[in-house]
Amino acid sequence: AQSVSQHNHHVILSEAASLELGCNYSYGGTVNLFWYVQYPGQHLQLLLKYFSGDPLVKGIKGFEAEFIKSKFSFNLRKPSVQWSDTAEYFCAVTTGGGNKLTFGTGTQLKVEL
Amino acid sequence: NAGVTQTPKFRILKIGQSMTLQCTQDMNHNYMYWYRQDPGMGLKLIYYSVGAGITDKGEVPNGYNVSRSTTEDFPLRLELAAPSQTSVYFCASSYPGNGLAYNEQFFGPGTRLTVL
Repeated sequence: AQSVSQHNHHVILSEAASLELGCNYSYGGTVNLFWYVQYPGQHLQLLLKYFSGDPLVKGIKGFEAEFIKSKFSFNLRKPSVQWSDTAEYFCAVTTGGGNKLTFGTGTQLKVEL
Repeated sequence: NAGVTQTPKFRILKIGQSMTLQCTQDMNHNYMYWYRQDPGMGLKLIYYSVGAGITDKGEVPNGYNVSRSTTEDFPLRLELAAPSQTSVYFCASSYPGNGLAYNEQFFGPGTRLTVL
């Protein structure tokens, strides 16, 4: 069965710092990759997704992610974080064209003023 | 559209009690899902459904049951509540086959359940 690893469990940054959150998956076939965000007290929202094509994917709120197939990675980046980016971020994958999402354990990001 | 709605928002149960968590979506999505979210564990799939009358187990189905009599509704039933079922439960839906939204799941606001 596939699995998703997020190595950073808690990240604390100052405003304007750059962000990179790691995500690795274990599956050798076709994958669809997602980053979801959960703001405090809210439900999960989709940040961005990769299905095929350009491995550099741009999402909402200035986030982007790069799919590196050889490294089984889909890291999330943002050049300059804001206080409002404080949230929990989840990487997720579906495999083989299916619809069942496998989530990573999440990364809690805190942005300090 | 209201999207995915869940009721109740919060609930406290005693051990052995039963309850149904309600989930409704108004986007005419074929697929619906139930997840539980525990601190530091991410989300785990409990059950899912690919259409009315069709359900299947996810990763952690024990202690739960589901039904799907309509496209809109996908209730989750806890028959004999146990402390291990204390969690936040999220319902989601998706519409496979749409080129833009394929596989994207839309989530409800969640139900926070405590079993004492």
